[in-house]
Amino acid sequence: DAGVIQSPRHEVTEMGQEVTLRCKPISGHDYLFWYRQTMMRGLELLIYFNNNVPIDDSGMPEDRFSAKMPNASFSTLKIQPSEPRDSAVYFCASSFLPNYGYTFGSGTRLTVV
Amino acid sequence: GQQVMQIPQYQHVQEGEDFTTYCNSSTTLSNIQWYKQRPGGHPVFLIQLVKSGEVKKQKRLTFQFGEAKKNSSLHITATQTTDVGTYFCAHKAAGNKLTFGGGTRVLVKP
Repeated sequence: DAGVIQSPRHEVTEMGQEVTLRCKPISGHDYLFWYRQTMMRGLELLIYFNNNVPIDDSGMPEDRFSAKMPNASFSTLKIQPSEPRDSAVYFCASSFLPNYGYTFGSGTRLTVV
Repeated sequence: GQQVMQIPQYQHVQEGEDFTTYCNSSTTLSNIQWYKQRPGGHPVFLIQLVKSGEVKKQKRLTFQFGEAKKNSSLHITATQTTDVGTYFCAHKAAGNKLTFGGGTRVLVKP
């Protein structure tokens, strides 16, 4: 298994532009999570899905952020319009059974200038 | 949700020495997970503890869940340069939602 696959690995964009981050979870995993990591705030859960349905989006910072999971093998996190304070590493993770840990992707390092 | 606090925030360790990092909660936890994140990497799942007083070992790493299930610890013996990274504890709440502590960043002096 290739693990959780995220793209792109790095993204540099100008303030105001739309940014789309992509994630392919491990096949068979029915939970998918989006986290953001910064030095100041650590690892923050933004949103998570179960069987492609959003369960908890209380961590989404504001309306500029949106996430979708159109099928079991693909999810996107979109920021529109992007702002410099959105600069962070965004991780996608997936899991299967409740007693197992999460498997994280390699992350997308986003820089908004 | 339930928050977990980790101490210390930073740990400088001489190679070959032992150290311990702690995870504390003001409320009883149903479980504790531990992750390791290497510099520039992503969190990697190490272990989950669920029972009061549970102790689990992975080579030089010893994980413990407190009797009251309000704290946990990770003890590393004979630290090596490969132990460099940030160690996170995390609590998985109902609905499979994982909340992370702030992490302990470990630096090893050769």
